[in-house]
Amino acid sequence: KAGVTQTPRYLIKTRGQQVTLSCSPISGHRSVSWYQQTPGQGLQFLFEYFSETQRNKGNFPGRFSGRQFSNSRSEMNVSTLELGDSALYLCASSYTTGNPYEQYFGPGTRLTVT
Amino acid sequence: AQSVAQPEDQVNVAEGNPLTVKCTYSVSGNPYLFWYVQYPNRGLQFLLKYITGDNLVKGSYGFEAEFNKSQTSFHLKKPSALVSDSALYFCAVRVSNTGKLIFGQGTTLQVKP
Repeated sequence: KAGVTQTPRYLIKTRGQQVTLSCSPISGHRSVSWYQQTPGQGLQFLFEYFSETQRNKGNFPGRFSGRQFSNSRSEMNVSTLELGDSALYLCASSYTTGNPYEQYFGPGTRLTVT
Repeated sequence: AQSVAQPEDQVNVAEGNPLTVKCTYSVSGNPYLFWYVQYPNRGLQFLLKYITGDNLVKGSYGFEAEFNKSQTSFHLKKPSALVSDSALYFCAVRVSNTGKLIFGQGTTLQVKP
């Protein structure tokens, strides 16, 4: 099976702009979660989608949003970018939500905000 | 609140020697624990998980982890380290009935020839 794919792999944006990141889960996986990884804060949960519904949300401002399509592909959007949004954004897919299924991660999208 | 701690920022070990990367957790209810590894400029790779059952869990690439409920620990181990094991290792706990993982801060493993 193909793994989790994320596009684009690298992005450079200017403060104030918005950005959309895409994630295609492993075939058959219906749960998609997003994480932000920074050197200072480590790995932090953004949100989880299952069956096109947001199931859980982390402690991020409303500028961070996402959605999931009927084919389980997911997108996350960040509006009004700030310098602190520079990070590696990781998408993870799982067969379903909750235990005991492990999550499989994509390679990430490296976002740089200047 | 659930949390995970990895007390060592870096672990250094010589190739061929056994390695241990430590993880302690704090959860309410039954813990669902995971180990992931991250190589430079890559996403996280799943190594192993503890859901229930045997306290010694075997995973990918020769890694195993020992679950200890009384010490609330889930240490990652390997009998003989390889230089190629050098990477960043994360312990994580799943928030019950959700897809949310709470990660430790990560431990850099350095295996020297």
